[in-house]
Amino acid sequence: DAKTTQPNSMESNEEEPVHLPCNHSTISGTDYIHWYRQLPSQGPEYVIHGLTSNVNNRMASLAIAEDRKSSTLILHRATLRDAAVYYCILRVLYTGTASKLTFGTGTRLQVTL
Amino acid sequence: NAGVMQNPRHLVRRRGQEARLRCSPMKGHSHVYWYRQLPEEGLKFMVYLQKENIIDESGMPKERFSAEFPKEGPSILRIQQVVRGDSAAYFCASFAGTGGIEAFFGQGTRLTVV
Repeated sequence: DAKTTQPNSMESNEEEPVHLPCNHSTISGTDYIHWYRQLPSQGPEYVIHGLTSNVNNRMASLAIAEDRKSSTLILHRATLRDAAVYYCILRVLYTGTASKLTFGTGTRLQVTL
Repeated sequence: NAGVMQNPRHLVRRRGQEARLRCSPMKGHSHVYWYRQLPEEGLKFMVYLQKENIIDESGMPKERFSAEFPKEGPSILRIQQVVRGDSAAYFCASFAGTGGIEAFFGQGTRLTVV
């Protein structure tokens, strides 16, 4: 399975930007980079995804390295509600529409006042 | 992710009993994944199903575990003769398949084997 490597934990102050790094050196050309987050006692929720270009949505931005071997999730202004485990995942395609999300250990983000 | 319904939310079973976990995907979704999460760990892929088909069961233990996603009704993850090591949170996720990028997760079923 395609692997990702993330720091175990990070801390941030509220209202400050947060950059969550991810390495995926074995990524193949058709693998999408996905980010999900999991709040305590809940199922994961989708944050953002990309293939080659940087992406922005209402939750976050995703910066993808030119060689695609690493990416960074950017939360522009962290709030206490952003405290969660953030998973960087490679979405591996089988054939047609079938694909698989393989989770790593994730980064636990702590946000303090 | 409120659209994916898992039940029960909590399930207690004695060793040797059977556990049945249900997952109703979002309307129109024909792809379902099951994951298992041990305390303080990440999610481990178990099985990927489309309606009436198992696409990938590489993460399923070879014995006691089975999964199905019938043409009608929810997806079922079945664990026979449960042991203490089966205690975990089990999550299912669904996505639409064609054009579907985002997977929607349920709230999980927390299985405790006593």
